[in-house]
Amino acid sequence: EVQLVESGGGLVQPGRSLKLSCAASGFTFSNYYMAWVRQAPKKGLEWVATISTSGSRTYYPDSVKGRFTISRDNAKSSLYLQMNSLKSEDTATYYCARHTMGPYYFDYWGQGVMVTVSS
Amino acid sequence: NIVMTQSPKSMSISVGDRVTMNCKASQNVYNNIAWYQQKPGQSPKLLIYYASNRYNGVPDRFTGSGYGTDFTLTINSVQAEDAAFYYCQRIYNSPFTFGSGTKLEIK
Repeated sequence: EVQLVESGGGLVQPGRSLKLSCAASGFTFSNYYMAWVRQAPKKGLEWVATISTSGSRTYYPDSVKGRFTISRDNAKSSLYLQMNSLKSEDTATYYCARHTMGPYYFDYWGQGVMVTVSS
Repeated sequence: NIVMTQSPKSMSISVGDRVTMNCKASQNVYNNIAWYQQKPGQSPKLLIYYASNRYNGVPDRFTGSGYGTDFTLTINSVQAEDAAFYYCQRIYNSPFTFGSGTKLEIK
């Protein structure tokens, strides 16, 4: 059974950093592109980052480019999101999601972890 | 950057009715569209990929169509459990932009 379990969320002050983790199981992690998607309270979904199978290619929307870094450790079947210079508008539930083999649709999602940016 | 525009923002439908919701891309995305369903308090679930392919286990009352810039998700004979938000997403090429969603309420 595919499982994606996020951790590392919490309350953080504006301008500070936070690192999210996603532990994957039930599939060969190294074969899949992975992603982070966020959802601000009462808002829609926003794609945040994608990483290729080896980690050599990463993709970001303009809203987080230069502040967020996605990475992975295939030996540990883990995905990460380093978030720097956090702003109040980064407050959201962050989901780890599995792309299909290639940068295609998301077929599995984690349960999400909440990040609150506030002083 | 590509923009995905969904309409309507919300709709209220009776059980057994047919519902159609739309997703318009600001540029040609061919058939590179997915549709997701999100119920309150839950993670999104994949419904349709490559515009018209139903994902594993998705009831056949859900149908996707379209190509290029205009896409449609149709639910035939809506059930009470279909009350949710529905999102389209551009796939295959970055940015993997989502639409703003359509809220489906059941009367």
